[in-house]
Amino acid sequence: SQKIEQNSEALNIQEGKTATLTCNYTNYSPAYLQWYRQDPGRGPVFLLLIRENEKEKRKERLKVTFDTTLKQSLFHITASQPADSATYLCALVGRDDKIIFGKGTRLHILP
Amino acid sequence: KAGVTQTPRYLIKTRGQQVTLSCSPISGHRSVSWYQQTPGQGLQFLFEYFSETQRNKGNFPGRFSGRQFSNSRSEMNVSTLELGDSALYLCASSLEGPEETQYFGPGTRLLVL
Repeated sequence: SQKIEQNSEALNIQEGKTATLTCNYTNYSPAYLQWYRQDPGRGPVFLLLIRENEKEKRKERLKVTFDTTLKQSLFHITASQPADSATYLCALVGRDDKIIFGKGTRLHILP
Repeated sequence: KAGVTQTPRYLIKTRGQQVTLSCSPISGHRSVSWYQQTPGQGLQFLFEYFSETQRNKGNFPGRFSGRQFSNSRSEMNVSTLELGDSALYLCASSLEGPEETQYFGPGTRLLVL
């Protein structure tokens, strides 16, 4: 069955360093991959979308890579700040437009 | 532009009851998707509506249903509530579908006793 895996444990990163979050998937061939940020008590907020034929996407301090051979996406936050602390979700969108989400990784940026 | 709104924000029901949740998408958005979020299962797709038609459906029992009105507002109904239906229910809107940027509402937190 289709499966998405994100780091289940919280990730602690020192302020100013680069945070790297991983999203692995199996038994799936997504057309798109999306990353979201979710703060406690709030709905997810869309951050970046990357298509299957794209290797990398950037937006300000954010960078996403997508390796369809490894079935993996990496999400990087450079020059991390305490305000970046949140849960980050990856989501795969299939060719049938069905979307499946990972369970998310909690990121703590330590001052 | 106003964001996605959901009502009510909090709800307490007892087993066997039914509940209706409402979602108003961003003006101009025709696609509305519903999700259930629990600590154990994460965010799971329920269904997507586009122009008043259900276009996609997740793996949830028939007790979960929805509809979309001509103004794109959507409602979700859960009948014969079970304890396991306690969750945060989120709706998200987009112009054409979940493959694009989705804008999520704040959610309705449902507690079933």
